[in-house]
Amino acid sequence: DAKTTQPPSMDCAEGRAANLPCNHSTISGNEYVYWYRQIHSQGPQYIIHGLKNNETNEMASLIITEDRKSSTLILPHATLRDTAVYYCIVRVDAGNTPLVFGKGTRLSVIA
Amino acid sequence: EPEVTQTPSHQVTQMGQEVILRCVPISNHLYFYWYRQILGQKVEFLVSFYNNEISEKSEIFDDQFSVERPDGSNFTLKIRSTKLEDSAMYFCASSDGYYQPQHFGDGTRLSIL
Repeated sequence: DAKTTQPPSMDCAEGRAANLPCNHSTISGNEYVYWYRQIHSQGPQYIIHGLKNNETNEMASLIITEDRKSSTLILPHATLRDTAVYYCIVRVDAGNTPLVFGKGTRLSVIA
Repeated sequence: EPEVTQTPSHQVTQMGQEVILRCVPISNHLYFYWYRQILGQKVEFLVSFYNNEISEKSEIFDDQFSVERPDGSNFTLKIRSTKLEDSAMYFCASSDGYYQPQHFGDGTRLSIL
């Protein structure tokens, strides 16, 4: 079973920041936090991952609390194309460890 | 940007028939995976593959399933005798190792009649 808890759905106005929360209170010291998204029935798309420091790339920022029990994915300027299901996954970073998907958060970006 | 490609995009097969789903992982990647997603449900792990052997498999991956890397580029999933409940989207993924994310293809929709 997934080790994370996410709200089932969220709305965000186009152009505003989308902040997607995730709880992972039982995370272990060697587990990373990964974020993926799935647009329609396409394959999951990797967004970002981190261990304990905040991370930023061209798609998003990941903020992990100091105790590592929760995190927030930030899409700084959401567009309609960001409408998708967003998955927060914790995973031990060994080469072939599978990803365990939960139900994720369905983000709807509204014009 | 390199990507994982899967063929066919849609496969329709009669129950009891064998089906082979094909994937071309990203070229320098070493770890390969299959996942599936039944309509309206979660993405589920099937199998991981490294160094020409299965590393890990889920309960779903029973004797009807097999994987192969027949050459340096393809990675295949075979279902020997398909059942109605095998109808799903099948996703292939690859990664280039430790600390690296898995990258997914756009899937094959398998419909069993």
